Amino acid sequence: KNQVEQSPQSLIILEGKNCTLQCNYTVSPFSNLRWYKQDTGRGPVSLTIMTFSENTKSNGRYTATLDADTKQSSLHITASQLSDSASYICVVRNYGGSQGNLIFGKGTKLSVKP
Amino acid sequence: DSGVTQTPKHLITATGQRVTLRCSPRSGDLSVYWYQQSLDQGLQFLIQYYNGEERAKGNILERFSAQQFPDLHSELNLSSLELGDSALYFCASSGPGLAGGETQYFGPGTRLLVL
Repeated sequence: KNQVEQSPQSLIILEGKNCTLQCNYTVSPFSNLRWYKQDTGRGPVSLTIMTFSENTKSNGRYTATLDADTKQSSLHITASQLSDSASYICVVRNYGGSQGNLIFGKGTKLSVKP
Repeated sequence: DSGVTQTPKHLITATGQRVTLRCSPRSGDLSVYWYQQSLDQGLQFLIQYYNGEERAKGNILERFSAQQFPDLHSELNLSSLELGDSALYFCASSGPGLAGGETQYFGPGTRLLVL
């Protein structure tokens, strides 16, 4: 069964600290993996999209890694800011399917405290 | 601002009723997606349209239907509403391609409350 599991479910860190969020998937065949940031009550915003051949992709203080062999991805946030408080969602797409074959994780809720 | 607009922002209705949610995609985008997000649940893909044609179907109930019009705006119709339909409904757009690697841009959502 195609699944995307994220951990931890929630995380509290102090402003300025780094953190890493995990995403494990069993989606096959794999096409790409996306990380989204969703502020409470708002629509998700894309952070990165990674294909099979990409190991690392950065977007400012956000760095995503992908290990297609172990089917794991991580999102590393550097020097966290209060505005980083949000849910971070990992999404994996099936290869060969339509764009609708997106499997969503339930997200990690990050709280950054001053 | 993603460029995707959704109306209304909030909707309160009663069980058994029917509502229509509206979405206007970003200029130039041909694909529109609808998602449901219940409280403390992940995003659930409902349906995708591409240039007026249904492209993919997810976990969409038979009581729900959608369409995309020639001007590319889309409507999601929810009928015979139940309490469990209370959720945030998001629309996203991407395109103009269909390669699968395009970023989806999400609208601000419509919060539906069924009483």
